[in-house]
Amino acid sequence: QKEVEQDPGPLSVPEGAIVSLNCTYSNSAFQYFMWYRQYSRKGPELLMYTYSSGNKEDGRFTAQVDKSSKYISLFIRDSQPSDSATYLCALVKAAGNKLTFGGGTRVLVKP
Amino acid sequence: DGGITQSPKYLFRKEGQNVTLSCEQNLNHDAMYWYRQDPGQGLRLIYYSQIVNDFQKGDIAEGYSVSREKKESFPLTVTSAQKNPTAFYLCASSATGQETQYFGPGTRLLVL
Repeated sequence: QKEVEQDPGPLSVPEGAIVSLNCTYSNSAFQYFMWYRQYSRKGPELLMYTYSSGNKEDGRFTAQVDKSSKYISLFIRDSQPSDSATYLCALVKAAGNKLTFGGGTRVLVKP
Repeated sequence: DGGITQSPKYLFRKEGQNVTLSCEQNLNHDAMYWYRQDPGQGLRLIYYSQIVNDFQKGDIAEGYSVSREKKESFPLTVTSAQKNPTAFYLCASSATGQETQYFGPGTRLLVL
């Protein structure tokens, strides 16, 4: 069983809809949580970083962490065609340790 | 303009050939990483280095080698022992003690 599970999609939504992405993990040692966005044939870019349970908002993006359920989410409000990309969750057990990535969810926002 | 550069963008390898992928960063980060990404899959760690002249194997180090002679540079060699090298290779760096990693644009390696 993988340490981090992420639905591969694709997830297709109309422009303006809310995109909901999530990852589940099995090891309670994970303490830091990140979301990366990756456009086709490009390197991933960091979108959100959180380390505590609860919500963190940045513009149209909200990251949610529920450590008791071992579940993290990313919400994208007012989705745009430019949000079409693969979204990867990445988890870390301690500062300076390696990242463990989910497999990524491909998102397609249709105009 | 700070960031991570990788070259070449595309690389072709012949059977039995070693090839080297370049990664340079000017972010003054101590730690650097190499990942492999296969279609539809997440990133898998090949090697990482937290300081000059030191590096550790990641989860899939077999068939790869690295060096870290300078803080700014972390080249990856894909040796002939790597039987399935076709993939997208990503280099990343992070500041000491920081969890967040920043990625380069990637190199796509194809086998002829």
